[in-house]
Amino acid sequence: NAGVMQNPRHLVRRRGQEARLRCSPMKGHSHVYWYRQLPEEGLKFMVYLQKENIIDESGMPKERFSAEFPKEGPSILRIQQVVRGDSAAYFCASSPPGQGEGPQHFGDGTRLSIL
Amino acid sequence: GQQLNQSPQSMFIQEGEDVSMNCTSSSIFNTWLWYKQDPGEGPVLLIALYKAGELTSNGRLTAQFGITRKDSFLNISASIPSDVGIYFCAGGAGSYQLTFGKGTKLSVIP
Repeated sequence: NAGVMQNPRHLVRRRGQEARLRCSPMKGHSHVYWYRQLPEEGLKFMVYLQKENIIDESGMPKERFSAEFPKEGPSILRIQQVVRGDSAAYFCASSPPGQGEGPQHFGDGTRLSIL
Repeated sequence: GQQLNQSPQSMFIQEGEDVSMNCTSSSIFNTWLWYKQDPGEGPVLLIALYKAGELTSNGRLTAQFGITRKDSFLNISASIPSDVGIYFCAGGAGSYQLTFGKGTKLSVIP
């Protein structure tokens, strides 16, 4: 009965380091979405993936950010050369095949802090 | 991009009172979703709406998809302390990404 699993829950990086955030979707779900949340704000869409395919990355910065959802294993959101402005909560959501427009079920997020 | 205006930003109510919050947009949405987020956790889906005019209940929660497809409201009846949290509306417009409001922070005074 596992929901969307994200790890780590908290991640601290120094400027210039790389951050890797992992997300395992709910069982049976093949659509994965990544969102970013700043304090006191709603969630902002970053990227939508299916297995081995990026479907929509219109919300993701062109530089330093990348995402993948391999055939086996979790989805990964990778941020290279992190800067202070990358500090935020990053949430992953998943949905079953054929329900791309929702409802999306969210994990508990990774809180990224940049020193 | 699309934007959702969610109001009120925050509410303080007495336990037992009813609560109403809403979201409006200048754009049409095909789906309206309402989520609740507790501190340190992810959003939890409360109600999903798929048709203009649809009225759906989930326990003490009732939500409606506006006829114009540009708005939605959420009502909570007979509030209890565990209703405390931040409520978000989210709209889907056919591109698989959800657009979120900025949230309504609900505080319940026992």
